[in-house]
Amino acid sequence: DAKTTQPPSMDCAEGRAANLPCNHSTISGNEYVYWYRQIHSQGPQYIIHGLKNNETNEMASLIITEDRKSSTLILPHATLRDTAVYYCIVITQGAAGNKLTFGGGTRVLVKP
Amino acid sequence: DVKVTQSSRYLVKRTGEKVFLECVQDMDHENMFWYRQDPGLGLRLIYFSYDVKMKEKGDIPEGYSVSREKKERFSLILESASTNQTSMYLCASRDSSYNSPLHFGNGTRLTVT
Repeated sequence: DAKTTQPPSMDCAEGRAANLPCNHSTISGNEYVYWYRQIHSQGPQYIIHGLKNNETNEMASLIITEDRKSSTLILPHATLRDTAVYYCIVITQGAAGNKLTFGGGTRVLVKP
Repeated sequence: DVKVTQSSRYLVKRTGEKVFLECVQDMDHENMFWYRQDPGLGLRLIYFSYDVKMKEKGDIPEGYSVSREKKERFSLILESASTNQTSMYLCASRDSSYNSPLHFGNGTRLTVT
């Protein structure tokens, strides 16, 4: 699986959009980009994933660059409850037995 | 709804004890994973399993073993617990099919004294 690189931390104002970058320059053609978040003392929660098209759901939007070497998770209107650590990982489509490894993530602090 | 259940939320064990951490998923997933999480180190993969009785080492398998006798259950075993195994342990599962996300339990916080 490809490695990912994220900034260690970022702050965001409540009500504003939060844009979280992720670099995955060694991603291969059949690897999906997944985003998770982890609120203190809980397990990581799935947010969204994509292959090459931009994706949107009720939680967030995912923008993947055309060369697929990086992506951005967008929280459109950040709330205090969005304060968490956000992880970007890549997973090979349909793969069994693949080792899935998380990096350090980005610690997001939403401020009032 | 998807559910991954870890048997204990908090555990306190003594050095040298044999410790079992249990994880059960109700989604008929082939793949199951054990991670540990420590401040500043993110999530690190200990072991994973892609089928019953199959297991593969992750990045930090030393001091751990696993058991997968049934598809829904994946156990992490600390044969002789040590203080450096004090950590948050997270279990996860995933289907092998197209486009499947990873689902996590809420973790077991283990303290070894």
